[in-house]
Amino acid sequence: QVLLVQSGAEVKKPGASVRISCKASGYNFISYAMHWVRQAPGHRLEWMGWINTGYGDTKYSQKFQGRVIITRDTSASTAYMELSSLRSEDTAVYYCARAYYDGNRWFDPWGQGTLVTVSS
Amino acid sequence: DIQMTQSPSSLSASVGDRVTITCRATQIINNYLNWYQQKPGKAPELLIYGASSLQSGVPSRFSGSGSGTDFTLTISSLQPEDFATYYCQQSYSIPITFGQGTRLEIK
Repeated sequence: QVLLVQSGAEVKKPGASVRISCKASGYNFISYAMHWVRQAPGHRLEWMGWINTGYGDTKYSQKFQGRVIITRDTSASTAYMELSSLRSEDTAVYYCARAYYDGNRWFDPWGQGTLVTVSS
Repeated sequence: DIQMTQSPSSLSASVGDRVTITCRATQIINNYLNWYQQKPGKAPELLIYGASSLQSGVPSRFSGSGSGTDFTLTISSLQPEDFATYYCQQSYSIPITFGQGTRLEIK
């Protein structure tokens, strides 16, 4: 059974950083890219970036460029997303998602989500 | 960035109804269009990929069509478990973008 399990909810102050983990099981971790998507309250899903879990190269949305870093630990089958310089607008549920690719990229499955609350 | 617009944004329907949700892209995205279902407090789940391919395990009452800029998701006969929010997603170009969602409610 393919499963992505994320770390627990976080509460951070403005200006701080948060690091979320996403542990994969049930498949060969390096065979699929891992993407990160967030969902702020009342907002649509928003793509943040992805990592080639085999080679480690990354691609980020320009919106988050300079504030987001996605990494992976292949020995632990785990991907990480770190977002820095947090502000209240970063309050959201953050998801990791395994990506299929054939030109088109689609996401299945998704992690259960990690709520990050940014508040002073 | 490619903008994705769904219509309607919300919809009330009854069990057994046929429902169609549309998704329009601001530029041609070929068939690089996927659909997800999200229930409250849960992660999205893949329904359709490549505009019309049904994900394994998804009931056949779900279907997708379209190419270019205009796409549809159809539920042929609504079941109680289908009341949820539906999102389209394009992957033709980076950044990957999603529609604003269509909330499907019980009439």
